[in-house]
Amino acid sequence: GENVEQHPSTLSVQEGDSAVIKCTYSDSASNYFPWYKQELGKGPQLIIDIRSNVGEKKDQRIAVTLNKTAKHFSLHITETQPEDSAVYFCAASKYQGAQKLVFGQGTRLTINP
Amino acid sequence: NAGVMQNPRHLVRRRGQEARLRCSPVKGHSHVYWYRQLPEEGLKFMVYLQKENIIDESGMPKERFSAEFPKEGPSILRIQQVVRGDSAAYFCASSAGTGGEQFFGPGTRLTVL
Repeated sequence: GENVEQHPSTLSVQEGDSAVIKCTYSDSASNYFPWYKQELGKGPQLIIDIRSNVGEKKDQRIAVTLNKTAKHFSLHITETQPEDSAVYFCAASKYQGAQKLVFGQGTRLTINP
Repeated sequence: NAGVMQNPRHLVRRRGQEARLRCSPVKGHSHVYWYRQLPEEGLKFMVYLQKENIIDESGMPKERFSAEFPKEGPSILRIQQVVRGDSAAYFCASSAGTGGEQFFGPGTRLTVL
């Protein structure tokens, strides 16, 4: 079955700097890759997603890149702010988001003021 | 707009008791997913249901766990004869249909004493 590896497990950056989180997946049939942000005591919230026919997608300070050949995708957060501190999860799915998501292990991002 | 609702938010059970977790999807959503999150880990898919049908239960333990999504009312995840290893956060997500974003609820945190 699909396996998603996520690195690093923890990341600490200075406010205003950029943060990058990377994921690799094993199943070449995967075609949908969302990123979720989870704050303490809350459920995951979708922040950006990318489908396999696109190499890059950007939404304000957040961007995701996908390399299907290498089977990896990355989350980039620029101009980080204290409210970006949270746990971030990548996920992969074989379908267009409709069925089961396979999650990475998570990255705890801390923004230092 | 009400998002995904889960109750109870916290549930304490003694070993051998039954746990019932309820999930009300976003209004109009007919697809429900259950995921389990162990401490410091990513979410693991358990089951995917549509109204009155189980579509994919490949992540459900073979014994003691069951799920339903009746024509009327919330989706229920039922754990019989709970053991300490069942202690985790259980998240429900819903989507409008094939290809739809999965919206997550706040989770139910189950503690087995």
